[in-house]
Amino acid sequence: EAQVTQNPRYLITVTGKKLTVTCSQNMNHEYMSWYRQDPGLGLRQIYYSMNVEVTDKGDVPEGYKVSRKEKRNFPLILESPSPNQTSLYFCASSSRGRGDEQYFGPGTRLTVT
Amino acid sequence: LAKTTQPISMDSYEGQEVNITCSHNNIATNDYITWYQQFPSQGPRFIIQGYKTKVTNEVASLFIPADRKSSTLSLPRVSLSDTAVYYCLVGAPPMDSNYQLIWGAGTKLIIKP
Repeated sequence: EAQVTQNPRYLITVTGKKLTVTCSQNMNHEYMSWYRQDPGLGLRQIYYSMNVEVTDKGDVPEGYKVSRKEKRNFPLILESPSPNQTSLYFCASSSRGRGDEQYFGPGTRLTVT
Repeated sequence: LAKTTQPISMDSYEGQEVNITCSHNNIATNDYITWYQQFPSQGPRFIIQGYKTKVTNEVASLFIPADRKSSTLSLPRVSLSDTAVYYCLVGAPPMDSNYQLIWGAGTKLIIKP
């Protein structure tokens, strides 16, 4: 089954404790990205990657890091989480780019206290 | 950047046709129009994409007038399971990821029995 998986689905952590949210897709897609979704603000892109070893900032990259060492994986790293990063996070992939049909993961609900 | 304006919410009844209109007055020549559906606590799901005139697939139709300043998503014979938030996006030709893509607040559609 074609899908995007994220782990963990739920995470509660404390300020400053480094964490990683994993994302994996099995569709051999070139393009992957991370979004955060906050009430009333819609989805905002954090980082995206056009291909292996190619990443670029989205609209709200501050406080986040990503890496793309393999085509199928695109982890999101929060080196020092803060309460304003409490949000619902989605990973997405598409075959050609963000304008193409994007496949979204199930989401990771992160709470930083 | 081409922003979009959609109604915040809409109600309808099972079996009815639902039309959701999106306004995008400053759409650029190369911009495409894309609609996504999102259920609570799930990632968005691609519904349909078009550039001009009319596009139809197995779940919806997209009507785009000649001036392309608005578009209408049409859902035929809705059911309770169509209750969701619907997002209209403008931008990013499918093969080009250098264009910005803005997600608005979407339209919350509630289908009643």
